[in-house]
Amino acid sequence: DVKVTQSSRYLVKRTGEKVFLECVQDMDHENMFWYRQDPGLGLRLIYFSYDVKMKEKGDIPEGYSVSREKKERFSLILESASTNQTSMYLCASSFRGQGVSGANVLTFGAGSRLTVL
Amino acid sequence: GNSVTQMEGPVTLSEEAFLTINCTYTATGYPSLFWYVQYPGEGLQLLLKATKADDKGSNKGFEATYRKETTSFHLEKGSVQVSDSAVYFCALLGSNAGNMLTFGGGTRLMVKP
Repeated sequence: DVKVTQSSRYLVKRTGEKVFLECVQDMDHENMFWYRQDPGLGLRLIYFSYDVKMKEKGDIPEGYSVSREKKERFSLILESASTNQTSMYLCASSFRGQGVSGANVLTFGAGSRLTVL
Repeated sequence: GNSVTQMEGPVTLSEEAFLTINCTYTATGYPSLFWYVQYPGEGLQLLLKATKADDKGSNKGFEATYRKETTSFHLEKGSVQVSDSAVYFCALLGSNAGNMLTFGGGTRLMVKP
């Protein structure tokens, strides 16, 4: 059973703390993504990566950074957490390539709910 | 840019009722359209998709038809079950190379026995 695993389902952190959210996929996907999910706003893309050591900004990268040292692992980093970063964070992955027969169809992890006090 | 608009929830229905969740989009070119579902405590799963105008995607009793003339991709099911309670997201993939998925705001469905 292929999957995307997010290491922490629930985290509570304090303002100013450094936060790491880890994501691992076992499908040999090239692409990996970090989204945040907020009520009424749907999913907004924070960062994505097409390959190891590559990263691209999404729609809302401010306050976040990412790391992709290995193909299967994509980490989201909050250098100094703030209360407006309280949210559900979703990791996803997909094969590279065009078209929708298989490529660009995302497989999601279960999510990490972060609360910043 | 691309955008997706969904009806706001929650949508509350009794078991065996007919379901419609509206989705309209704005995009250049010829996007592909998707519905994802998120069950409680889980990540999103692809429910169905359509890649060109007049295509009908279907899965688990759900259907959606790609209507280019009305730029819509409404989700329907003839008889909902309690187990269909979830959040449903409409999404599009632009036809330009390298485009990312654009998601709607999500619609929560609650089905009561």
